[in-house]
Amino acid sequence: DIQMTQSPSSLSASVGDRVTITCRASQSISSYLNWYQQKAGKAPKLLIYSASSLQSGVPSRFSGSGSGTDFTLTISSLQPEDFATYYCQQSYSYSRTFGQGTKVEVK
Amino acid sequence: QVQLEQSGSELEKPGASVKVSCKASGDTLSSYGLTWVRQAPGQGLEWMGWINTNTGNPTYAQGFTGRFVFSLDTSVSTAYLQISSLKAEDTAVYYCARDIDPLHFFDPWGQGTLVTVSS
Repeated sequence: DIQMTQSPSSLSASVGDRVTITCRASQSISSYLNWYQQKAGKAPKLLIYSASSLQSGVPSRFSGSGSGTDFTLTISSLQPEDFATYYCQQSYSYSRTFGQGTKVEVK
Repeated sequence: QVQLEQSGSELEKPGASVKVSCKASGDTLSSYGLTWVRQAPGQGLEWMGWINTNTGNPTYAQGFTGRFVFSLDTSVSTAYLQISSLKAEDTAVYYCARDIDPLHFFDPWGQGTLVTVSS
């Protein structure tokens, strides 16, 4: 299986900060990389698909980039509702794996 | 706009079986794939596998073969996850999600079903 490694595992930030989360694949996955946001006690929500395509209805402060093995999710100006856990997920291989998650906490 | 509604929480004893349902509304179940994801308490997301809703063919991830069965009843637009011979480590929230072919991202998700296995 393709392993997905996110960094950091957690971070502390303030409202208005620019936040960057990294996801690295154990082998090239082209652009088959998706990002999800999960708030406590809720189901995950799709933010970004195909590495950089913003899902309809998702605020434009979220953006994704990368290809091959290295990917980034950026929140340009963190809002109070963005404190959550973020997961990357690869859909290149038949077995679709998630990263371990990055928790964004209040500083 | 499709919505996925899952069945309610379950409390089962070790060795028992449980069947979780995932009902689609707003679109037909056969329009897309259906994926299942497990989240153990305090842990991350784990992809369990998916079912092709056109063919009914299931695919199971490593670690989810044998005791886990995906099935469909397209007449009521409902997918099912059955887990047999339950163990304490099966305690988790189980999510269904639409699996968008061919890019295979997941949207939307059901609200999740908590399965608790305890004697």
